Amino acid sequence: QKEVEQDPGPLSVPEGAIVSLNCTYSNSAFQYFMWYRQYSRKGPELLMYTYSSGNKEDGRFTAQVDKSSKYISLFIRDSQPSDSATYLCAMSSQGGSEKLVFGKGTKLTVNP
Amino acid sequence: DAGVIQSPRHEVTEMGQEVTLRCKPISGHDYLFWYRQTMMRGLELLIYFNNNVPIDDSGMPEDRFSAKMPNASFSTLKIQPSEPRDSAVYFCASRPPQYRGQYFGPGTRLTVL
Repeated sequence: QKEVEQDPGPLSVPEGAIVSLNCTYSNSAFQYFMWYRQYSRKGPELLMYTYSSGNKEDGRFTAQVDKSSKYISLFIRDSQPSDSATYLCAMSSQGGSEKLVFGKGTKLTVNP
Repeated sequence: DAGVIQSPRHEVTEMGQEVTLRCKPISGHDYLFWYRQTMMRGLELLIYFNNNVPIDDSGMPEDRFSAKMPNASFSTLKIQPSEPRDSAVYFCASRPPQYRGQYFGPGTRLTVL
């Protein structure tokens, strides 16, 4: 079993839709959870950062962490064509290695 | 802040040549990471430094790869000799103290013919 699993998609939605992106993980030591957005031919951009469980909201974006289920989600409300990108989840444990473990990414297209 | 700076942005070279990729991290960041990204394997961590000291190079694929960080504002990743299978996008990322989020540069797209 991979440490982090992420459905690669692709996911195609109409403009204005609510988008749900998800990752599951197997390492219960993970405490830091992140979402990155990567536009084509660009570097990954840190979008959301959460520690431990709970929700975090930033504008149209909401990140949720459910540590009991080892499941994290990113919701995008009122999706826009400019949200079309690949979204990667990433996580890290507290203490020990400073590495981030990344999902393979989900490619999202928002159609006008 | 200018963000993480990488050069060159594109590199096309022939098999057997030496390739040097450069990175300037964000000022004040004490960790620097080198990644490689391909369609097949996604993002792979190659090596990371803390306060200019290499901490974990277990992701470096072969002895052909080497990385240095002579000071807090500069790092290089060198491939010698290069091979076609090294073709990928190479990213540098840095992060500040006490924070796990990493900030990525724009990447260097390497093509080895």
